Amino acid sequence: GAVVSQHPSWVICKSGTSVKIECRSLDFQATTMFWYRQFPKQSLMLMATSNEGSKATYEQGVEKDKFLINHASLTLSTLTVTSAHPEDSSFYICSGRKGVITEAFFGQGTRLTVV
Amino acid sequence: DQQVKQNSPSLSVQEGRISILNCDYTNSMFDYFLWYKKYPAEGPTFLISISSIKDKNEDGRFTVFLNKSAKHLSLHIVPSQPGDSAVYFCAAQGGSEKLVFGKGTKLTVNP
Repeated sequence: GAVVSQHPSWVICKSGTSVKIECRSLDFQATTMFWYRQFPKQSLMLMATSNEGSKATYEQGVEKDKFLINHASLTLSTLTVTSAHPEDSSFYICSGRKGVITEAFFGQGTRLTVV
Repeated sequence: DQQVKQNSPSLSVQEGRISILNCDYTNSMFDYFLWYKKYPAEGPTFLISISSIKDKNEDGRFTVFLNKSAKHLSLHIVPSQPGDSAVYFCAAQGGSEKLVFGKGTKLTVNP
């Protein structure tokens, strides 16, 4: 299968600072990238969908000014958590898809802890 | 409103036996279904998929069955191995690019 690399795998930051998470598709061009958040013992919650070169589409309840998503190329998408607070601590996962009706491939996830 | 439901939060199976993971959906627009496997602190790994024009898809030890009239799909793992122990997510897609995930079933395969 295709490979999606997510970096960093874990990060600890102080409350009020911003954190950037990168998601790269290493061996395919991801026309669409998705960002998810997973709380303990819960399912993956889709935060936003982004297509290369266009603005991300955010799910209801997700603050677009807080979770900035950039999909500047077919192989790179970034999620920036701005002015992070302890309640933003979570496991963030990205995925990339080659086309519309294909499986999505996931990165290894980023554990964010805001102290 | 949960569109994809995995009603069993956990399942325990003996090594070598069959594991059957179930998934129900409510949205009749869904036409593509996937199973993902996830280890703690890692991203999900794609396992197998099925489109709505089929009722069965097999890949090695993994077989997915789709019953459209019942809006039900299942993942069979035969024979089960200890390395299969993980959380399994059912996901569905239809009408848009978004994948809708169930809450997952934690499978434990005992040696």
